[in-house]
Amino acid sequence: DSGVTQTPKHLITATGQRVTLRCSPRSGDLSVYWYQQSLDQGLQFLIQYYNGEERAKGNILERFSAQQFPDLHSELNLSSLELGDSALYFCASSPSGQGNGELFFGEGSRLTVL
Amino acid sequence: GENVEQHPSTLSVQEGDSAVIKCTYSDSASNYFPWYKQELGKRPQLIIDIRSNVGEKKDQRIAVTLNKTAKHFSLHITETQPEDSAVYFCAPQRGNTPLVFGKGTRLSVIA
Repeated sequence: DSGVTQTPKHLITATGQRVTLRCSPRSGDLSVYWYQQSLDQGLQFLIQYYNGEERAKGNILERFSAQQFPDLHSELNLSSLELGDSALYFCASSPSGQGNGELFFGEGSRLTVL
Repeated sequence: GENVEQHPSTLSVQEGDSAVIKCTYSDSASNYFPWYKQELGKRPQLIIDIRSNVGEKKDQRIAVTLNKTAKHFSLHITETQPEDSAVYFCAPQRGNTPLVFGKGTRLSVIA
């Protein structure tokens, strides 16, 4: 158990819909990262938050948005869903946004768009 | 941004043999070099990492070697076991930039 909690574990929805994925980082970790993993693809970095502020942005679509709340949990909002958005979405946390170090991943949220 | 390539993309070895996975990166300022393991249906987990001031690090059956001049680092697994079967990702990092993962190497250990 990494200490990172993601909900829901599985989600099935239709094209055009909107979903919200939730992540609670490890206790004390200030940084939250979101990654997308499609079939046979690597881990694509989407976005990072540090202590409530956006720290870095990767290949995140404009239809996607995220935020980190004062209690440090984070939500990833995916809207106008397309078939290609079907993927495993991982949240990871680390103690700080400074320097190198281990990322602790949650179990992921598997999104299926039909 | 960082360009990361892993080779091979798939690797099959007999149980007990060694496995080597190579990661090539483009950013010469990268200073942290981790390897993550993702078992089927599970989350990625850090298995070993190395920093730029060290050339090699070993932890039991796994080791990482770094060649900063050539901009590549490698994961070495000796005496492979079936539980080593997984996808392995490298993620070279510069400073506090987010980890950029390679596309992964699928290792199959055949009993």
